[in-house]
Amino acid sequence: GDSVTQMEGPVTLSEEAFLTINCTYTATGYPSLFWYVQYPGEGLQLLLKATKADDKGSNKGFEATYRKETTSFHLEKGSVQVSDSAVYFCALTLDSGNTGKLIFGQGTTLQVKP
Amino acid sequence: NAGVTQTPKFRILKIGQSMTLQCTQDMNHNYMYWYRQDPGMGLKLIYYSVGAGITDKGEVPNGYNVSRSTTEDFPLRLELAAPSQTSVYFCASSWGLRLTDTQYFGPGTRLTVL
Repeated sequence: GDSVTQMEGPVTLSEEAFLTINCTYTATGYPSLFWYVQYPGEGLQLLLKATKADDKGSNKGFEATYRKETTSFHLEKGSVQVSDSAVYFCALTLDSGNTGKLIFGQGTTLQVKP
Repeated sequence: NAGVTQTPKFRILKIGQSMTLQCTQDMNHNYMYWYRQDPGMGLKLIYYSVGAGITDKGEVPNGYNVSRSTTEDFPLRLELAAPSQTSVYFCASSWGLRLTDTQYFGPGTRLTVL
């Protein structure tokens, strides 16, 4: 079935370090791909998205490129800040079924230390 | 504009008790969703609604019921609480079902069943 796999956390980095959180997917159709972020005590917020192969989503210094050949959507940021500490979820949605259902990875906790 | 609000934030239930998790959105979205998140896992869809009066099951509907009498509200009912329902529950809404439509999430309800 359709699924999303993220790298295990927690990921602990020092401020200004480079961040990569890996995400790979399995899907029968042509999904759209998303990264959501959950800050402590808050709900999930959309961070970025890409709707077709080779698209690059970007927001707040984060980027992810939709790679169909490797079925991946890895999240990157060149220089993380303490305020980026949060849980990051990779997700996909497919146009089959007309439900709008999101399929999530298990989430990766990022801790950034000053 | 409050977005998606959920109440309560925390709740402890005894086995066999019932409760309703409330969800309200003020964005006039047609589509609403209930997800649950178990520790170390991604979010899974419980129920969804495509408009007032219309609901359907998601991946994990057993033990839950929903109703959608208005556009704004989408309560989730647990009739006979079981320890397996210990989880964090998220409500979400979106304008449409296109692959590019963003789902907006509430802050979650943390439920423990003892």
